[in-house]
Amino acid sequence: DAMVIQNPRYQVTQFGKPVTLSCSQTLNHNVMYWYQQKSSQAPKLLFHYYDKDFNNEADTPDNFQSRRPNTSFCFLDIRSPGLGDTAMYLCATSWGRQETQYFGPGTRLLVL
Amino acid sequence: AQTVTQSQPEMSVQEAETVTLSCTYDTSESDYYLFWYKQPPSRQMILVIRQEAYKQQNATENRFSVNFQKAAKSFSLKISDSQLGDAAMYFCAYRSEALALGAHLNSGNTPLVFGKGTRLSVIA
Repeated sequence: DAMVIQNPRYQVTQFGKPVTLSCSQTLNHNVMYWYQQKSSQAPKLLFHYYDKDFNNEADTPDNFQSRRPNTSFCFLDIRSPGLGDTAMYLCATSWGRQETQYFGPGTRLLVL
Repeated sequence: AQTVTQSQPEMSVQEAETVTLSCTYDTSESDYYLFWYKQPPSRQMILVIRQEAYKQQNATENRFSVNFQKAAKSFSLKISDSQLGDAAMYFCAYRSEALALGAHLNSGNTPLVFGKGTRLSVIA
């Protein structure tokens, strides 16, 4: 019973070629988060949606954008991926920012 | 800003033995939550246990328990009767109640702060 689903699980892209990562959830949570996790590091929050309100972290590069067309789906768009964007991208959801976050399995992105 | 420190990058434990992972944090707030998340090699982050700062009683979930010392700002995780499936990266995390609520005003505050993690190996 997958609750937070991420597609694809693995993505290889070329330097500068736009890529979109997808997250969907069956929990009906109103908050969705995108994290970047580089090898052997803690997850780093990129941004989150509280309902339709977009909250960007101060140090998230402009290269990263997000869309949330409805409650269930949230997309991460990387407009011009650089080699340094190679990482695992984790999606998480919660009911309200106060509640526990539930994570998806992640998308491992490799930029060549 | 809050910080979370995990001073043990790697730990190992014999199967069936007990291990304790340490976590300290820095905050000036009185209301907050603390979490331990587990990330196995498959990389899906799973919640292990959570502790409300206002509760004096230490949280317990089966073989997992915490030692929460609010005055010392310490939040260690004890794993009893370790199993091979416990091998994973363990992240300690902090969430400010005030910031989480204040973010309703679109203040952009970070809801969850992670430590750098402790990699636990379980030896058969």
